Amino acid sequence: AQSVTQPDIHITVSEGASLELRCNYSYGATPYLFWYVQSPGQGLQLLLKYFSGDTLVQGIKGFEAEFKRSQSSFNLRKPSVHWSDAAEYFCAVGPYRNAGKSTFGDGTTLTVKP
Amino acid sequence: DTGVSQNPRHKITKRGQNVTFRCDPISEHNRLYWYRQTLGQGPEFLTYFQNEAQLEKSRLLSDRFSAERPKGSFSTLEIQRTEQGDSAMYLCASSQDSSEAFFGQGTRLTVV
Repeated sequence: AQSVTQPDIHITVSEGASLELRCNYSYGATPYLFWYVQSPGQGLQLLLKYFSGDTLVQGIKGFEAEFKRSQSSFNLRKPSVHWSDAAEYFCAVGPYRNAGKSTFGDGTTLTVKP
Repeated sequence: DTGVSQNPRHKITKRGQNVTFRCDPISEHNRLYWYRQTLGQGPEFLTYFQNEAQLEKSRLLSDRFSAERPKGSFSTLEIQRTEQGDSAMYLCASSQDSSEAFFGQGTRLTVV
């Protein structure tokens, strides 16, 4: 069965500091990996996705993620965090033939200090 | 393209009542998904449609839940005899074939 673990429930960083959110997955085949962001009371917005090719993928809002097959990880990074990045971040894994049917982690809440 | 639209955004109902939510997907998308999200958790897959056919249902979808997509466009999710445990955010998403899904704003259900 597929699963996603986001080890950090809550992370606090200062504005302008770098950010890394961790994601580990378990999946029997080649995974389709995603990062989504959710603001309070809102739906999910896709930040970036990875299926194949370059293991470093660029997304919206200055985010990037690196796929490491040997570590079953897909960590999200941003070099300089803005106050507007405060939100909840979800990592997800899905089957290639049906990426919309994804398994999500329980999320990491990001707080940004001024 | 206005994205995935869900109505209502919020619903408060008494235990035992029936509720129905609507989802309008992105117009050219042929797949539509329903997820449930409880506080502090990630979204959990409930069911999905390809056009009007419901192709998969999660074990989370009890007999009190039913979803339809009658003409392959909008979808409805009905919960009969609501229970307090049904309180959650219900998210709809759509995709074109096997590509990534785009989510709506969700419907927040509170059962009192």
